[in-house]
Amino acid sequence: DGGITQSPKYLFRKEGQNVTLSCEQNLNHDAMYWYRQDPGQGLRLIYYSQIVNDFQKGDIAEGYSVSREKKESFPLTVTSAQKNPTAFYLCASSRPGLASYEQYFGPGTRLTVT
Amino acid sequence: GESVGLHLPTLSVQEGDNSIINCAYSNSASDYFIWYKQESGKGPQFIIDIRSNMDKRQGQRVTVLLNKTVKHLSLQIAATQPGDSAVYFCAENAGAGGTSYGKLTFGQGTILTVHP
Repeated sequence: DGGITQSPKYLFRKEGQNVTLSCEQNLNHDAMYWYRQDPGQGLRLIYYSQIVNDFQKGDIAEGYSVSREKKESFPLTVTSAQKNPTAFYLCASSRPGLASYEQYFGPGTRLTVT
Repeated sequence: GESVGLHLPTLSVQEGDNSIINCAYSNSASDYFIWYKQESGKGPQFIIDIRSNMDKRQGQRVTVLLNKTVKHLSLQIAATQPGDSAVYFCAENAGAGGTSYGKLTFGQGTILTVHP
């Protein structure tokens, strides 16, 4: 089955610790994205990557970092500099083209920092 | 900056009714729009999309209407079922090319509750 996997589903960390969220896709998509979702809110773009070894900041990149060393993987690190890291994090991938810009989403990781 | 927004944050309907969820957008250059359904604690799922060269597109029990004159998008769900209860997001393609290629800008979402 093709799809996007995110792990773990729930993650708990103490304040001041960095934490890395995993995102893997086997859809052979070039583009990958990280979003943050707060309760009752829409999706806000953190970082995105259109191709391996390249990525751009989204609307709320401060306190986050990413890497894109492989086409299949786009891990997100939430650093201690992120002031309010508790949120639901969603990873997506796409193959943008003339027909569609549909993004395929993973199941999400709920991060709680105390 | 330009953004996508929704008129109604919540919508309650009876099972069997038709539902209409609205979305306003302000970027006149957007050429692609998409609707997602998100159930509690899960990732968004694709429902239907439409390009700006169309004004209507139909899927299974769903129809998307695009009115470019007033920059308005709507999602119609026919014979709404309890399983349709979720948050619905519209999104637009944020740019035609360069580093914006493929990016989507999401609206706030509408909570649809279907009562049996």
